[in-house]
Amino acid sequence: SQTIHQWPATLVQPVGSPLSLECTVEGTSNPNLYWYRQAAGRGLQLLFYSVGIGQISSEVPQNLSASRPQDRQFILSSKKLLLSDSGFYLCAWDRQVGYEQYFGPGTRLTVT
Amino acid sequence: GNSVTQMEGPVTLSEEAFLTINCTYTATGYPSLFWYVQYPGEGLQLLLKATKADDKGSNKGFEATYRKETTSFHLEKGSVQVSDSAVYFCALTFTLNSGGSNYKLTFGKGTLLTVNP
Repeated sequence: SQTIHQWPATLVQPVGSPLSLECTVEGTSNPNLYWYRQAAGRGLQLLFYSVGIGQISSEVPQNLSASRPQDRQFILSSKKLLLSDSGFYLCAWDRQVGYEQYFGPGTRLTVT
Repeated sequence: GNSVTQMEGPVTLSEEAFLTINCTYTATGYPSLFWYVQYPGEGLQLLLKATKADDKGSNKGFEATYRKETTSFHLEKGSVQVSDSAVYFCALTFTLNSGGSNYKLTFGKGTLLTVNP
C-alpha cells in the first residue's frame, strides 16, 4: 500500500529564518506531487505541483520554492520566512492528474 | 474558471441527526467530484467520489450524488456520530485530457461540522 510522510509535524521559526519541509511517498512510482497551504479557518491553496523529477510548477508567486530531487521526494523551502507564511502545509500525491489525491499528515508552521 | 461553493459553517448537530452539506460547482465540461474530510490536526482524507453524472459516491454512511442539471454534489448522512466531527471539503477536478489548467483539484472553503452527544 502507499503511504505519504511529512516532517516535521510542527515547526516554530523566527521571521527571516530559512525553511525546509520534506515529503516522501512510499509504495508507488512516478507520482504527481503537490504542496498546499491551509491558513487558519480557510480553504486550501495550491502552491506547487510536480509531474516528475526536477519538474516544478508554481501556482502562486511568493517567497517559497519547491524541489523534487528524487522520484518520491518533494521539498518546500524558503530562504527567509515571513509572518504570512504561517499555516498548515500539506503534501499530496496522485497517480494521474484528474483523479483523487492522497494527503500527508501535514506540517504546522508558526512564524514568530 | 472552475469553482466550488460550499455552505457556510459551522454546522452543529446532535448525535443521530440528519446531515446535509450543500456543494455546488461551476465548471466548463464534466468534472470529477470529491468529498474530503479533515479531522482536527490531520491531513485530508478522501471520503467519497463520483466521476460522471448521476453517479452516487458512498462511504462510512455518507452519500453524495453527482447532479449535472443542478451542478451539485451535496453530502448527506442519515445519522451522524460524535466521531464525524470534522471539516468537510467539496472538490472537483478534470482528467488530463481536458487540457488547460483543469488538472487542478479545486476545493471549496470547507464546512466545519460539530456533533454533540
